[in-house]
Formats: sequence, structure tokens, C-alpha cells
Amino acid sequence: ETGVTQTPRHLVMGMTNKKSLKCEQHLGHNAMYWYKQSAKKPLELMFVYSLEERVENNSVPSRFSPECPNSSHLFLHLHTLQPEDSALYLCASSQDPQTTYEQYFGPGTRLTVT
Amino acid sequence: RKEVEQDPGPFNVPEGATVAFNCTYSNSASQSFFWYRQDCRKEPKLLMSVYSSGNEDGRFTAQLNRASQYISLLIRDSKLSDSATYLCVVNGEYGQNFVFGPGTRLSVLP
Repeated sequence: ETGVTQTPRHLVMGMTNKKSLKCEQHLGHNAMYWYKQSAKKPLELMFVYSLEERVENNSVPSRFSPECPNSSHLFLHLHTLQPEDSALYLCASSQDPQTTYEQYFGPGTRLTVT
Repeated sequence: RKEVEQDPGPFNVPEGATVAFNCTYSNSASQSFFWYRQDCRKEPKLLMSVYSSGNEDGRFTAQLNRASQYISLLIRDSKLSDSATYLCVVNGEYGQNFVFGPGTRLSVLP
């Protein structure tokens, strides 16, 4: 149904692990985003990429490392996370990073850090 | 002041009721406004964009009041399937990102 896919859908990792989240969009969009959604809190924008170039980084800790190899793929590399990093991580894309365009979200990866 | 604020909810309404949500925003220069809905444990999905002149899509009507810096969403003839969290989205202070409100939860009861 959605033009934005994310894998894995669920992930449990220890604090010393390294893992990566993957996002792919099939909509021909030029901008991609990572959001974090914690329980009882609004969505928090983490990173914005426009045509594979990072245009925004909202003071995200360095244990989160994004990568955008092309306009269709976006990764979020995770290492030495903390339990408070447990959340739903959502990827989104839009036609252009200009905010007049709506964003389309993937189903998210539910991450649990133990 | 938070950039985007919404009615805290939850709203519990019977089927067939009309319900309205409000959202206020702090940045008077904001240009883009949207309503998204998010079902439990699912991703947000675009419900409708909000245009300056107001717009309607079936049972849903969105209004924008720039002078008072708020947007509203009216749902008529509520259905059980309307039960969700409704997110107000406004383009933010620093240009290239959306700011999401905390959401208003709606439960439509049989």
C-alpha cells in the first residue's frame, strides 16, 4: 500500500550492539527524513536529506548515524544505544524538502534497547 | 510556548456525532498546514492539506485562521473507523522541516 518501506519492522538490541535500519521509497521523491516517536511524545525530526545531501540534523546524538547512498534509500546506523532510545523510528519522503509538500511515511521500525 | 499545540483529548463521541479539533501554532510565517491521522502502532498518514480558503473532503472540513494562528478539523457523521490520533502539522521555524503537534486522540463509540 505504501510507497515507503522500512526494515526491519521490529528490532531488539543490546546496548553494545550495532544495527542498521533501512528505508526505501518508490515514489520518485527527492527528500527523505528520519523521525523518532517515543510514547506520549510528538514526532521528533532527526535528519533530513535532499538529493542525498544532509540538510538538517536536529542535535541528534552521534550514536545515530544516517546514510543516504541515493535518493531512494536511507539508512540509520545505530551503535551503543541507550534504553531511552527505545521508540518507533519512522522514515518519510517528500517530493522536495520544501515544506509545501506533504510527507509520506513508512510503517516504522519499533526498536527496543535492552 | 510550544510551536504546535493541540486539544489534549481524548475525545469520546458516539457514532454519527460531529467533532472538531483545534490546533494553534506559534510561527506567524508558517505557510504549510496539514492534518495527518495515526492509528495505534501505525505510521501517520496524510488526511488532508489545509488551504487558506478552507477545504472539504467528504465528511472532513479543514479551516485555517492566519490572524489567530490556528487550524481546525471538523468531522461530521463520525464512523467507528475514524477512531485514531489526529496530528496537526505545520512547517517550522527553520524552513525545511515539519513540526508535528502532540496529537488528539479520538474514539468513536458504537
